[in-house]
Amino acid sequence: GAVVSQHPSRVICKSGTSVKIECRSLDFQATTMFWYRQFPKQSLMLMATSNEGSKATYEQGVEKDKFLINHASLTLSTLTVTSAHPEDSSFYICSASNRRDSSYEQYFGPGTRLTVT
Amino acid sequence: DAKTTQPTSMDCAEGRAANLPCNHSTISGNEYVYWYRQIHSQGPQYIIHGLKNNETNEMASLIITEDRKSSTLILPHATLRDTAVYYCIVRVDQAGTALIFGKGTTLSVSS
Repeated sequence: GAVVSQHPSRVICKSGTSVKIECRSLDFQATTMFWYRQFPKQSLMLMATSNEGSKATYEQGVEKDKFLINHASLTLSTLTVTSAHPEDSSFYICSASNRRDSSYEQYFGPGTRLTVT
Repeated sequence: DAKTTQPTSMDCAEGRAANLPCNHSTISGNEYVYWYRQIHSQGPQYIIHGLKNNETNEMASLIITEDRKSSTLILPHATLRDTAVYYCIVRVDQAGTALIFGKGTTLSVSS
């Protein structure tokens, strides 16, 4: 089946620093990748949609200058949280879309737990 | 915003069938019904999806009403490892369309 990986799985950083999270589709090419954020006991919230080779489309209320998304290849997208603050502490999950049997399924990575101190 | 309504929580005994309902009364003709689940602190896992016919795979069965306004996910023989949050999502099946998650149903399977 389609596999999506994320790195790192957990990261702790100090307030004011930047953190980069990688999302890779391991056995398929993904023209579209998505980034979600999940706070404790809440559902996943879509942050942005990323298409290979073009600028990401951000959801309302998500600061594009704070959450930098790069989708330079068909198998890699990165999310950089710039000048992180404690309120950015969350579970960040990426997903990649793959066309399979005439439908577009979405496969999720295992998530990255970010803690900002 | 999510276009589905699900019960907040359900309980199921191990070995019994778990039937998870979902209402999607405003579903459009070109929207599919998707089911995902999320085990604690993991990424969501795809379960099944369908348009209007009932579907079955190795994980579950999906029953969609004739008017497509509701559906039921059936786990035929629930195990403890099926304890998770189950999300019912309606989505147009096309490239670049994201899944929008609602609150889901927390299924607790007990022995």
